[in-house]
Amino acid sequence: GDSVTQMEGPVTLSEEAFLTINCTYTATGYPSLFWYVQYPGEGLQLLLKATKADDKGSNKGFEATYRKETTSFHLEKGSVQVSDSAVYFCALMRRSNYKLTFGKGTLLTVNP
Amino acid sequence: GAGVSQSPSNKVTEKGKDVELRCDPISGHTALYWYRQSLGQGLEFLIYFQGNSAPDKSGLPSDRFSAERTGGSVSTLTIQRTQQEDSAVYLCASSSPSSGEETQYFGPGTRLLVL
Repeated sequence: GDSVTQMEGPVTLSEEAFLTINCTYTATGYPSLFWYVQYPGEGLQLLLKATKADDKGSNKGFEATYRKETTSFHLEKGSVQVSDSAVYFCALMRRSNYKLTFGKGTLLTVNP
Repeated sequence: GAGVSQSPSNKVTEKGKDVELRCDPISGHTALYWYRQSLGQGLEFLIYFQGNSAPDKSGLPSDRFSAERTGGSVSTLTIQRTQQEDSAVYLCASSSPSSGEETQYFGPGTRLLVL
């Protein structure tokens, strides 16, 4: 079945540090890939997405590239801020059933 | 416009009681989803509605769980004879895949505690 594996963390960084959160997936066909973010006390929000191989999703300084050859969708940001502290979830969706399959989530804490 | 709303935001119940959780999707969204978020299991898919029908109920953990959707809008998730392992945050999401919008937008969740 479909699965998503992401680094579990927690990840602790200083402000302005470079961020990478690794995500790999297992799925048949060509799923769409997503990063969702959950800020403290808030609901899940879409951060970015990519729907086909080599697409790059980007938002709020975050980027992720859909790599079919390595089945990966790693999240990166060049300079994190304290306000980026949150839990980040990688997810895939197959268009045959529109069900999201999530990774376990990665807690990011950014210190000033 | 208004996002996905869920009620109640918190629910405390005693083991063995029935509970109903409500979801109001974004207006015009044809697809509606229920997920569960718990410490041990992470985020799990429960059920998916397209219109009022549920083509995929594969994630419902037991026959104590049921869901319905009426008028292509509001959905209710019912848990009968609640157990302590049902304690979790229940999330609802909606999307409009028929119009090309496959992104799922989530509500704030209902936090259920079974004592």
